[in-house]
Amino acid sequence: ETGVTQTPRHLVMGMTNKKSLKCEQHLGHNAMYWYKQSAKKPLELMFVYSLEERVENNSVPSRFSPECPNSSHLFLHLHTLQPEDSALYLCASSHVGVGGELFFGEGSRLTVL
Amino acid sequence: SQQGEEDPQALSIQEGENATMNCSYKTSINNLQWYRQNSGRGLVHLILIRSNEREKHSGRLRVTLDTSKKSSSLLITASRAADTASYFCATVPDNYGQNFVFGPGTRLSVLP
Repeated sequence: ETGVTQTPRHLVMGMTNKKSLKCEQHLGHNAMYWYKQSAKKPLELMFVYSLEERVENNSVPSRFSPECPNSSHLFLHLHTLQPEDSALYLCASSHVGVGGELFFGEGSRLTVL
Repeated sequence: SQQGEEDPQALSIQEGENATMNCSYKTSINNLQWYRQNSGRGLVHLILIRSNEREKHSGRLRVTLDTSKKSSSLLITASRAADTASYFCATVPDNYGQNFVFGPGTRLSVLP
């Protein structure tokens, strides 16, 4: 078991649904990340929270809404998604500061119908 | 913009052989990291090399970094079937403490 836990592992939703992905880290880290991994594309950094403040938002559509209530928890709220949003969503955590490695969860496989 | 680019995209070798994967990047970096991903799972950190280092070893892994050529290589020696996975390089650019940028990865298949 890794120190970063993601739920659910699999999610199927319609385009009009609202759902949330959850991430929890037990490593004492103070930075958390959401990445999107689509087939045949590099990992795309979506959001970064450092010390509970959002420090990166890479032009992600507003239908993705992150929330970081504390340094151990990170959510990704989903609403009115498109089929092209189907992907593996990976959460990661690290210590703030240059050079720290990322610790990833197992991912949430999202399918949008 | 994408930073790391792995080469080759896919590599198939026999057990016991060595596997070499390359990564090129465009801008200056603080460090470069290699990760492994088994199919449909999360990424696992393998090794980190800083910009002032040229070579690093960890078990059967050997990483080199050439900052003048903006390239790195990952060598896995005496490969095993369990090494079958995708391997990614990630760069941490100067002044971007949390901006890890990943390449598209190399898919390694080790045949028994």
